[in-house]
Amino acid sequence: AQKITQTQPGMFVQEKEAVTLDCTYDTSDQSYGLFWYKQPSSGEMIFLIYQGSYDEQNATEGRYSLNFQKARKSANLVISASQLGDSAMYFCAMREGGETSGSRLTFGEGTQLTVNP
Amino acid sequence: ETGVTQTPRHLVMGMTNKKSLKCEQHLGHNAMYWYKQSAKKPLELMFVYNFKEQTENNSVPSRFSPECPNSSHLFLHLHTLQPEDSALYLCASSPLGTRETQYFGPGTRLLVL
Repeated sequence: AQKITQTQPGMFVQEKEAVTLDCTYDTSDQSYGLFWYKQPSSGEMIFLIYQGSYDEQNATEGRYSLNFQKARKSANLVISASQLGDSAMYFCAMREGGETSGSRLTFGEGTQLTVNP
Repeated sequence: ETGVTQTPRHLVMGMTNKKSLKCEQHLGHNAMYWYKQSAKKPLELMFVYNFKEQTENNSVPSRFSPECPNSSHLFLHLHTLQPEDSALYLCASSPLGTRETQYFGPGTRLLVL
């Protein structure tokens, strides 16, 4: 079974509007972390935001916020005031693993976001 | 400016060639990773190194051979690859710990002819 599911292969948004990118996950671990990365066409993976499973508040980083609903196992990314430069592929990822080991990230299939002028 | 660099950025090789990908991190991290990103597929973890020791090999074929001489450098040696190995190969590093983010290099785009 897939551990990370991104159900939106592509999304379109008008410049200056907000957009939500969906992510659901599956894990039996109590301690885990959820990440969002942005990948422009140039290929590099850019870290955007992190949410720990024990964090009580939703994470925010500038225009990015993570809508974390633990009971539903969802970790949606909200981008406010979209900009043309936000057009890219967005990946949701989950970390499982302990403190003493380099832990693996499992990635979803990604959502291609296009911001229209 | 990224703290993780990868060379070369682009590589074309024949199936009988031997080549190496290099990754260097300047962030003082203790863990390094190789990922493979094929078209229309999620990123796949290949190898994990902690303090220069390999802790995970995700069922990667032996034609891919990693090497980690120290905590700052990671290599991926390639030999007798197949066309289906063409992909973007991404290196990442992180401190240890569940809260720590992995930071990625720009990747090497590999084409196997």
